[in-house]
Amino acid sequence: GQQVMQIPQYQHVQEGEDFTTYCNSSTTLSNIQWYKQRPGGHPVFLIQLVKSGEVKKQKRLTFQFGEAKKNSSLHITATQTTDVGTYFCAGRNGGSQGNLIFGKGTKLSVKP
Amino acid sequence: NAGVTQTPKFRVLKTGQSMTLLCAQDMNHEYMYWYRQDPGMGLRLIHYSVGEGTTAKGEVPDGYNVSRLKKQNFLLGLESAAPSQTSVYFCASSYSSNFRRESLSQYFGPGTRLLVL
Repeated sequence: GQQVMQIPQYQHVQEGEDFTTYCNSSTTLSNIQWYKQRPGGHPVFLIQLVKSGEVKKQKRLTFQFGEAKKNSSLHITATQTTDVGTYFCAGRNGGSQGNLIFGKGTKLSVKP
Repeated sequence: NAGVTQTPKFRVLKTGQSMTLLCAQDMNHEYMYWYRQDPGMGLRLIHYSVGEGTTAKGEVPDGYNVSRLKKQNFLLGLESAAPSQTSVYFCASSYSSNFRRESLSQYFGPGTRLLVL
């Protein structure tokens, strides 16, 4: 079945350093979503990418969708302690109406 | 709007006991989902519903049953709890994919922590 792999599993950074998490799918995706889960909290939607090669920015966060629509990345510039949490990508293929396949997430810790 | 709410927040069960987790949403979403989250495993879909009266199996449906008698509610049942069902359970909801493609984000509830002894 469809799989979504996400790396790294953990990332420890010093405040001010950059951070990137990568997501790869075994199949072509119709779209991909990114979620953030704070410690002890629930996943919160960040963004959805639909078009091949799409790049979207939210302040210090940059999201990319690969040309082949099989991979995606989230880059955070100059991390802050408020960025702490687990970041999940979730892919949807055209044949699974309403279903997302979540990656296992990248847990980010930021040392002040 | 309360968004997505879940009850209970925390529960301890003994092996073999049954329980029902309740999820409610007030956003008029068509789709609802139940996930479980285990350390290092991410979010795995248990069951989902694309509308009132309809349910379907997800990735890990065994040992669970669901019902969607009302559009705003989605119930997850454990008939005979097992220690392997110790987990955090999240309910989520979203608009249908036929509504607006940009509105397919899922809204999650706060979660239910279940411990099966």
